[in-house]
Amino acid sequence: AQTVTQSQPEMSVQEAETVTLSCTYDTSESDYYLFWYKQPPSRQMILVIRQEAYKQQNATENRFSVNFQKAAKSFSLKISDSQLGDAAMYFCAYRRGGSQGNLIFGKGTKLSVKP
Amino acid sequence: GAGVSQSPRYKVAKRGQDVALRCDPISGHVSLFWYQQALGQGPEFLTYFQNEAQLDKSGLPSDRFFAERPEGSVSTLKIQRTQQEDSAVYLCASSSGLTWSYEQYFGPGTRLTVT
Repeated sequence: AQTVTQSQPEMSVQEAETVTLSCTYDTSESDYYLFWYKQPPSRQMILVIRQEAYKQQNATENRFSVNFQKAAKSFSLKISDSQLGDAAMYFCAYRRGGSQGNLIFGKGTKLSVKP
Repeated sequence: GAGVSQSPRYKVAKRGQDVALRCDPISGHVSLFWYQQALGQGPEFLTYFQNEAQLDKSGLPSDRFFAERPEGSVSTLKIQRTQQEDSAVYLCASSSGLTWSYEQYFGPGTRLTVT
């Protein structure tokens, strides 16, 4: 069975600085997708960034980028120029490839941004 | 048009009562997922529909949980004889169902408290 592990329950960053959230996963499959979702307090979960396992190039979305290390099964999220609005729970998620399937989530990392 | 909506947003039930939680997916979305998110945890998969067909219900924790999507749009998650351990946020997500479009859009969730 696939598992996703987020080892940092809480992280804190100063506004305008950079923070990296860690995620590791376990799978025996070769085709899969990885995601980072953001869940602000009392608000809907939204997709931040996604990575296809077959792509070697790390995904980037504006201030958000990932470091995807397939052999190490590591998928970290880097947030540059942190903003107050980045404060939220961040969930790493896995989905197997080939078809519509459910997401498998980690336990999340609570990110605080200090002004 | 609108995103995924869920109702009610909050539900308090006495132990032993039956509850019904509603999900309105994005119009035209073929795939619909239900997740359960316990306090301080990541969402966990409950069940998955493709149109009106329930293709995977492996995550339902007991036979007290039942989900349906009779016309392939609105879905209802029903919990019979609620127990305290059922207290959680129930998230619904929908997806267009196309294999290359794998983003799941989440609703705001229904927070169920069983007293």
